[in-house]
Amino acid sequence: GAVVSQHPSRVICKSGTSVKIECRSLDFQATTMFWYRQFPKQSLMLMATSNEGSKATYEQGVEKDKFLINHASLTLSTLTVTSAHPEDSSFYICSAIPGQGGHNEQFFGPGTRLTVL
Amino acid sequence: GQNIDQPTEMTATEGAIVQINCTYQTSGFNGLFWYQQHAGEAPTFLSYNVLDGLEEKGRFSSFLSRSKGYSYLLLKELQMKDSASYLCAVPSYSGAGSYQLTFGKGTKLSVIP
Repeated sequence: GAVVSQHPSRVICKSGTSVKIECRSLDFQATTMFWYRQFPKQSLMLMATSNEGSKATYEQGVEKDKFLINHASLTLSTLTVTSAHPEDSSFYICSAIPGQGGHNEQFFGPGTRLTVL
Repeated sequence: GQNIDQPTEMTATEGAIVQINCTYQTSGFNGLFWYQQHAGEAPTFLSYNVLDGLEEKGRFSSFLSRSKGYSYLLLKELQMKDSASYLCAVPSYSGAGSYQLTFGKGTKLSVIP
C-alpha cells in the first residue's frame, strides 16, 4: 500500500521558536495533502488542505500566518509552526491521496508529537 | 455542514463480537470511512462504504444505511490488539471542488480478557 512518512516523529521546543514538520509520500505522487491536529482524547481536526503548486486552504479558526504550509513537490508538504506556544502542543498528522484526489482512501503519516515548553 | 456522532467508549470481552455505531448528517453524501487508531499513532484505513448494505472484510465488517444516516462497524472474534479508537469519517466537497474528511470523535474500544 501507499506509504506516507513524517519527520520528526517527536519534537520538543521552547516557546517562541519555530518548528518544521515534513510529510512525504514515499511511493506515490500526491497532488493533495492534508494536515490534521489531534489534542488528547479528541478526534482529528483538519487544519488545512495543501495543494501542490498553489496556496494551502485553511480551515476556519486556523491562522495561516502561524501555520505555514508549503507543498513544493508532488511528494513533499511541510508544516511550519511559527512562534510556537504551549497551547500548540499537539499530535500533528498529515495524509495524502494518490493521484488527482477524490474521495478515495487517505493514507496517513505516523504523526508528529509536538511539545512546546 | 457535517455532523457525526458515535459513542465515546465501549468495553468488550476477548473473543466476543462488538458493534460500534455511527450516525451522520451531511449536506451531500460521498461515502463513509472507518479508521482504526491506536493511541499515539496515526489512523489506519478499515473500510469505505458508499452503497447500502454490509461489507465484510475478515473479522471486520461495515454496514451502511444511507436513508437512516447510519453506519456500524462490526468486530468479530475480538483480540486484545483490537483495543483502539475507531473513527467514523465522511468526505465532503466544497463548492470550489476541494475535498476534505470530517471525523467523528472516535469510539475508544477496550478489549478485556
